[in-house]
Amino acid sequence: KQEVTQIPAALSVPEGENLVLNCSFTDSAIYNLQWFRQDPGKGLTSLLLIQSSQREQTSGRLNASLDKSSGRSTLYIAASQPGDSATYLCAVREGGATNKLIFGTGTLLAVQP
Amino acid sequence: GAGVSQTPSNKVTEKGKYVELRCDPISGHTALYWYRQSLGQGPEFLIYFQGTGAADDSGLPNDRFFAVRPEGSVSTLKIQRTERGDSAVYLCASSLRDFTDTQYFGPGTRLTVL
Repeated sequence: KQEVTQIPAALSVPEGENLVLNCSFTDSAIYNLQWFRQDPGKGLTSLLLIQSSQREQTSGRLNASLDKSSGRSTLYIAASQPGDSATYLCAVREGGATNKLIFGTGTLLAVQP
Repeated sequence: GAGVSQTPSNKVTEKGKYVELRCDPISGHTALYWYRQSLGQGPEFLIYFQGTGAADDSGLPNDRFFAVRPEGSVSTLKIQRTERGDSAVYLCASSLRDFTDTQYFGPGTRLTVL
């Protein structure tokens, strides 16, 4: 059974700092991996999607990497801003026909001004 | 519409009652998903529709939970004989086709069973 773990569970950094969020998964037979952002009381916003054949994806100040063989992904946020404060979730999509996502429990990020 | 919408945004009910939660996906999206998110946890998959049919309902916790998508667009998640443990945020997502596509999530319905 696929399990997704995110470390740390919570992180507080001063504004301007670069930071890394970690995601690990137990079964490397994934189709893709996706990073989401969730703001309090709101749904999820997709940030980056990495296909299993890719090593990384970049969008603005965000860079996500994927090492499928070791079951790891990282989300790098450059020059953090208070507006980046949110919960960050990673999710893997298992292979096969179901297309369902298996989520981690998230990292709660607070960027202090 | 511009995004996935869900109604109601909040639902409070009493133990044993029946509830329906509605999801309007992005227009033209053929795939639709329901997830449940308990406090402090990541979303947990419930069911996936491809068009009108449930392609995978393996995440439904028991037979009190049922979902339909009769015309391949709007979906309704139905919960019978609600229990306090059903309290959670129910999230709906849609994607254009399946496999390679990003899932876009709605804001969720917060269900509280008293």
